[in-house]
Amino acid sequence: AQKITQTQPGMFVQEKEAVTLDCTYDTSDPSYGLFWYKQPSSGEMIFLIYQGSYDQQNATEGRYSLNFQKARKSANLVISASQLGDSAMYFCAMRESGNQFYFGTGTSLTVIP
Amino acid sequence: DSGVTQTPKHLITATGQRVTLRCSPRSGDLSVYWYQQSLDQGLQFLIQYYNGEERAKGNILERFSAQQFPDLHSELNLSSLELGDSALYFCASSVSQRGPRDNEQFFGPGTRLTVL
Repeated sequence: AQKITQTQPGMFVQEKEAVTLDCTYDTSDPSYGLFWYKQPSSGEMIFLIYQGSYDQQNATEGRYSLNFQKARKSANLVISASQLGDSAMYFCAMRESGNQFYFGTGTSLTVIP
Repeated sequence: DSGVTQTPKHLITATGQRVTLRCSPRSGDLSVYWYQQSLDQGLQFLIQYYNGEERAKGNILERFSAQQFPDLHSELNLSSLELGDSALYFCASSVSQRGPRDNEQFFGPGTRLTVL
């Protein structure tokens, strides 16, 4: 079974609107962490946000928030007030307690002016 | 600029050869991670070092090895190279000390390896 599933290969959003990028995960480890990364067309990788499995509140970092639903094993990224610079590939990842990382296949987000 | 440096930026070599990729973490970061991004395999975690010690191992081939030196820079050695090893290799660093930002990773610009 896939450890991380991102079901949206491509997404479009109007500038200034909010968008949700889906991510589901599979683990039996009670202690894990969930990450989101952004990769613009220039190729660099940018860490966006982290959520620990024991964190009580959803993580937020500026316009990014992680909608963590533990029972459903989902960790969706919400980007509010989209900007043209948000156009990029977005990767969801999970780290289990043994520090092994697993990545999803990514979602390509295009922000339309 | 993340503060993480990787050299070289590009590397072109032939099958069967050996190469070394170098990473210097941000000042003060103790952890170094190596990742491979290829069209075939997507993003894969290879290995993590913390303060000179191997902390976690991912999908790293036996032909690949890494180490972290006392000054905390790290090298990834790839040997007996195959066409399928062509990829973008990222290094990332993090503080890795208990605190609110200990999971934040900073990525280098990557080394693009082409095996001909």
